[in-house]
Amino acid sequence: AQSVTQLGSHVSVSEGALVLLRCNYSSSVPPYLFWYVQYPNQGLQLLLKYTTGATLVKGINGFEAEFKKSETSFHLTKPSAHMSDAAEYFCAVSVRNSGYSTLTFGKGTMLLVSP
Amino acid sequence: DTGVSQNPRHKITKRGQNVTFRCDPISEHNRLYWYRQTLGQGPEFLTYFQNEAQLEKSRLLSDRFSAERPKGSFSTLEIQRTEQGDSAMYLCASSYAYRNRRYHTFGSGTRLTVV
Repeated sequence: AQSVTQLGSHVSVSEGALVLLRCNYSSSVPPYLFWYVQYPNQGLQLLLKYTTGATLVKGINGFEAEFKKSETSFHLTKPSAHMSDAAEYFCAVSVRNSGYSTLTFGKGTMLLVSP
Repeated sequence: DTGVSQNPRHKITKRGQNVTFRCDPISEHNRLYWYRQTLGQGPEFLTYFQNEAQLEKSRLLSDRFSAERPKGSFSTLEIQRTEQGDSAMYLCASSYAYRNRRYHTFGSGTRLTVV
């Protein structure tokens, strides 16, 4: 079965600093990988996804992530944090075994941005 | 595209009561998913439909839970004899069925509090 580990339940950065949110996955088959953002009392919004092809994927709001198969990682980065980036971020995986149908999520990382 | 709509947004119920939530997916999407998210956790898969057929159910979906999607449009999730452990955010998502377009679009969720 597949699983996702997000290192750090909370990450604090200053406005303008680099954002790095870590995600490692476990899967015996090639995965599809996703990052979602969740604002308080809201649903999840897709930031970016990796399915096949280019391993560096760009998403909305200046975020990007790189799929590294050898490290089983899909870390999320943004060069310069903005106050509006403060939210909870979830990494998720889906696999061929399930027809790429269902998502398995990590526990989430809360990003705190200080002025 | 009006997005995925969930009603109600909040529900407070007494233990032992039955509750029903509704999800209206994006009209072009033929897949509909239910997830549950408890405090401090990522969403966990419950079940999904393709059109009106329920294709997969998680072990989390106990006998007290039932989901339907009559006519392949909106879906309902009913919880019978609610327990305090059922308190959570219930998220609905929809997607296309085509494998390369199975990106979940989530609704804002229904927050259930069982007292």
